[in-house]
Amino acid sequence: ETGVTQSPTHLIKTRGQQVTLRCSSQSGHNTVSWYQQALGQGPQFIFQYYREEENGRGNFPPRFSGLQFPNYSSELNVNALELDDSALYLCASSSPGLAGVETQYFGPGTRLLVL
Amino acid sequence: DAKTTQPPSMDCAEGRAANLPCNHSTISGNEYVYWYRQIHSQGPQYIIHGLKNNETNEMASLIITEDRKSSTLILPHATLRDTAVYYCIVSGGTSGTYKYIFGTGTRLKVLA
Repeated sequence: ETGVTQSPTHLIKTRGQQVTLRCSSQSGHNTVSWYQQALGQGPQFIFQYYREEENGRGNFPPRFSGLQFPNYSSELNVNALELDDSALYLCASSSPGLAGVETQYFGPGTRLLVL
Repeated sequence: DAKTTQPPSMDCAEGRAANLPCNHSTISGNEYVYWYRQIHSQGPQYIIHGLKNNETNEMASLIITEDRKSSTLILPHATLRDTAVYYCIVSGGTSGTYKYIFGTGTRLKVLA
């Protein structure tokens, strides 16, 4: 069984550019959630995709957008990058379980630096 | 805002039990308590979860109080590799988005 994978591992961009981060979910999972983790902080929820539809969004501006594909892999796109977007971006996959249990399994993250 | 509060840091001697507390006084009846840890900016690693009964797996034990307003994660024999930030999260239910709201966690340092 393959775990959650993310690419690339590291990325450097300049302010105003656009970036796409990728996530492959764990086998059998149909839900992907994305989180942003600034240095020294806990991860912050960006949005979640369930069966290719957005299923909830955190307090992030519209320049943060996403996609989920039929194989349940996902992309996070960020337009018009700002310096504060520098962070570790985490993807987590899960599948709804019985009685409201939905354990999320995290990938290793993509570290984005915006200069 | 996070639904949980945890002490910012704790130390534990190697080989001793590490007991990490978490307060979740606003937990609702169908929400679960999850514990994760994050080692040096890697992705958070799932440890254990529970609803109202105590739970144990190969990594840890989870003790939830009867009123479900607090819980304790127990690492029975801490090793240096258990040094990490530990997050307690309340999430779940029967519908909606199962997003995790992370607090700042407890930074556990295991001392040789």
